[in-house]
Amino acid sequence: GQQVMQIPQYQHVQEGEDFTTYCNSSTTLSNIQWYKQRPGGHPVFLIQLVKSGEVKKQKRLTFQFGEAKKNSSLHITATQTTDVGTYFCAGFKAAGNKLTFGGGTRVLVKP
Amino acid sequence: NAGVTQTPKFQVLKTGQSMTLQCAQDMNHNSMYWYRQDPGMGLRLIYYSASEGTTDKGEVPNGYNVSRLNKREFSLRLESAAPSQTSVYFCASKSERGGFFYNEQFFGPGTRLTVL
Repeated sequence: GQQVMQIPQYQHVQEGEDFTTYCNSSTTLSNIQWYKQRPGGHPVFLIQLVKSGEVKKQKRLTFQFGEAKKNSSLHITATQTTDVGTYFCAGFKAAGNKLTFGGGTRVLVKP
Repeated sequence: NAGVTQTPKFQVLKTGQSMTLQCAQDMNHNSMYWYRQDPGMGLRLIYYSASEGTTDKGEVPNGYNVSRLNKREFSLRLESAAPSQTSVYFCASKSERGGFFYNEQFFGPGTRLTVL
């Protein structure tokens, strides 16, 4: 079945530094979504990418969808303590009707 | 708007006991989902319902049953709980406005279930 993998599983970041988390699918996706889950909370939708090669920005967060629509990345610049949490990517396959979530990248920020 | 609500927030069961997790949404969404979240495993789909009166199995349906009672409510039942079902359970809903694939899922606050 469809698999979505995220690396790294954990990311320790010094406050102010940049980092990138990656999402890879075993199959071509119709679109990909990113969610953030704060510790003890529930996943909250961040953004959706639909087009091949699409890049979207939300303040310090930059999201990219690969040309082959099989991978995606999230880049955070100047990390802040408010960025703490787990970031999940989730892909829709064109022939499917449900999201497949990656395992998430848990981000810890060192002040 | 309350969004997606779940009850209970916490539950402890003994092996073999049964219980029903309740979920309701007030956003008039057609699609509703049940996920379980285990450490390092992300969110795994248990069951989903694309519309009132329909339900389909997800990735990990064994040991669970669901009922789409009406458009608002989607319940998850554990008939005979096992320790392997210790997890955090999230309910979610999604609209089909603009096309089925292209809308965000709204999650409830979760139910933290422990099976002893």
